[in-house]
Amino acid sequence: EVHLLESGGGLVQPGGSLRLSCAASGFTFGNYAMTWVRQAPGKGLEWVSAISALTGTTHYADSVKGRFIISRDNAMNTVHLQLNSLRADDTAVYYCAKGGIDGYRGVDYWGQGTLVAVSS
Amino acid sequence: QSVLTQPPSASGTPGQRVTISCSGSRSNIGNNYIYWYQQLPGTAPKLLIYRNNQRPSGVPDRFSGSKSGTSASLAISGLRSEDEADYYCAAWDDSLNIGVFGGGTKLTVL
Repeated sequence: EVHLLESGGGLVQPGGSLRLSCAASGFTFGNYAMTWVRQAPGKGLEWVSAISALTGTTHYADSVKGRFIISRDNAMNTVHLQLNSLRADDTAVYYCAKGGIDGYRGVDYWGQGTLVAVSS
Repeated sequence: QSVLTQPPSASGTPGQRVTISCSGSRSNIGNNYIYWYQQLPGTAPKLLIYRNNQRPSGVPDRFSGSKSGTSASLAISGLRSEDEADYYCAAWDDSLNIGVFGGGTKLTVL
């Protein structure tokens, strides 16, 4: 059974940093792309970033480009999202999601999410 | 403003058939597969439909998806109270080189 467990969320001041982690199990992690999606309170889903399986190619939404960095550790079955220069509008639940048969073009399993709150 | 356009709300009575539309452009829906997700209140999203019209195992056949050109739709037949949720369409966008979501449709079962 696929299981994704996010961690690292919390309260941070504007301009601060956080590192989110997602521990994966139940599938061969190195064979699948991984994606981060966020959801601001009371709002819809927003695609944030993805990393491919084999080449580690990364993609970022314009809203986070230059501030967030996605990475993966295939030995530890973990994907990370480094959040820098955080702003109030980055406040959201951040979901880790596994790429499906179309790689980073579509996700099939989601974690339960970790809340990031940016406030002074 | 979402790249994919969905109606903000939809409703139906138990047993009815409801459809939710999703409109995009050639760079996203036109050239790529559409995915649909269901998000029950207070929970993480769950995959309902992948590759336009494929159901993962465990998803009832009451849920079906279709795509034509730059639009797609999700149909729910035999509506049940437990279908009350937010529904999101998603696709890859070749021009933006990112994934894109619709704004979500809140389905109410009357």
